[in-house]
Parts: sequence; C-alpha cells; structure tokens
Amino acid sequence: AQSVTQLGSHVSVSEGALVLLRCNYSSSVPPYLFWYVQYPNQGLQLLLKYTTGATLVKGINGFEAEFKKSETSFHLTKPSAHMSDAAEYFCAALSGGYQKVTFGTGTKLQVIP
Amino acid sequence: DAGVTQSPTHLIKTRGQQVTLRCSPKSGHDTVSWYQQALGQGPQFIFQYYEEEERQRGNFPDRFSGHQFPNYSSELNVNALLLGDSALYLCASSAGQQNTEAFFGQGTRLTVV
Repeated sequence: AQSVTQLGSHVSVSEGALVLLRCNYSSSVPPYLFWYVQYPNQGLQLLLKYTTGATLVKGINGFEAEFKKSETSFHLTKPSAHMSDAAEYFCAALSGGYQKVTFGTGTKLQVIP
Repeated sequence: DAGVTQSPTHLIKTRGQQVTLRCSPKSGHDTVSWYQQALGQGPQFIFQYYEEEERQRGNFPDRFSGHQFPNYSSELNVNALLLGDSALYLCASSAGQQNTEAFFGQGTRLTVV
C-alpha cells in the first residue's frame, strides 16, 4: 500500500531563511505527488504537483519541489520564508487506480520574525 | 466560480445520532471524494463518487455512507456517531476519477459530544 512519510511534525525557520520540508513516499511505481497547504480552520490548497516530465516542479507562493526517484523523495523548498508561510503542509501521493490520495501526517511550519 | 462548497461549516451532534454533510463540486467537476481529518492528523480517504456510484473506499466502517446526485453534488452520511468521529470532513472534487487536479472545500467541522 502507498504510504507517505513527512519528517518533522514541526519546523521553525526565521523570516528570510530557507524552508525545507521533507517528504518520502513508498511505492515501487512512482506515483503522482502533491504538496498542499492548510491554514487554520481552512481546507487544503494545492501548492504544486508532480505527474510526469520535469522533476523540479514550481508552485505557487515561491515554493518548489524536486522529485527524486532514487531517494523516493519529494521535498518542498522555498528560498526565503515569509511570515504568511506559517501554516501546515501536507505531502500526498496518488497511485494505483488514481482515485485515492494518501496524505502524510503534516508538518507545521512556524516562521519566526 | 464558487469552487467546492461544503455545508454546514460546523456541526455539533450527540453520540449515537446520525449526520449528513453536503458538498457541491467545482463547476465542471464530476467526481467527489470525501476525507476525514482528525485533529493533528492528515486527511484520510473515505470514499469517492463518480457517475453516482461509489468507486473506491478507504478503511472506514459501513456507518459511513454516501450519495452522489445527478448534478454531481454529494452527501456524506454517518450513522451511530461515536466520539471518535469528531473531525474536519473535507470534500474534494475533480474532473474525472483521476484526482490529479483535486480541489478541496473548506470542510465541515463535526463535533460529537
């Protein structure tokens, strides 16, 4: 079964510092991969996705992620953190019948002024 | 475009009662998936509806059931509520069963007391 692991349930960075949120998936077949952001009491907003093609994917709000098949990873990065980036981030994978999305447990990002 | 809309936004029910949550998909979308997000957890897939039929189901008991209407809107029903059913219930819609472009609603916060 597909599983998604996010390393670090809480990450703190200073404003202007690099953001790195880690995600690993388990699948013998590379799945489609996603990063979502969730603000308090809100639904999920898609940041970016990898389906096929270029392994470096750029998303909204300056975020990007790189699909590394050899490492089964899809880490999310942003060069310079902004206060508005404080939220919870979920990595997710879609595979098999392309119907069921499996989410990681989430990483709460705190941005320190 | 109103996006995915869910109602109600908040709901309080007593243990043993039944509840119905509603979802209207984004315009042009014909597929609806439901997720349960317990506090501090990632969303867990409940089931997906396409062409008014349940197409895939996650690891949830039969107390969880659903329906999709000809206009593609959907309902999630939960019978015999347990305290553990307290969660944010998210609806996601997509065009076709492949959820590569799933859009999420803001969710319904269900509290069982």
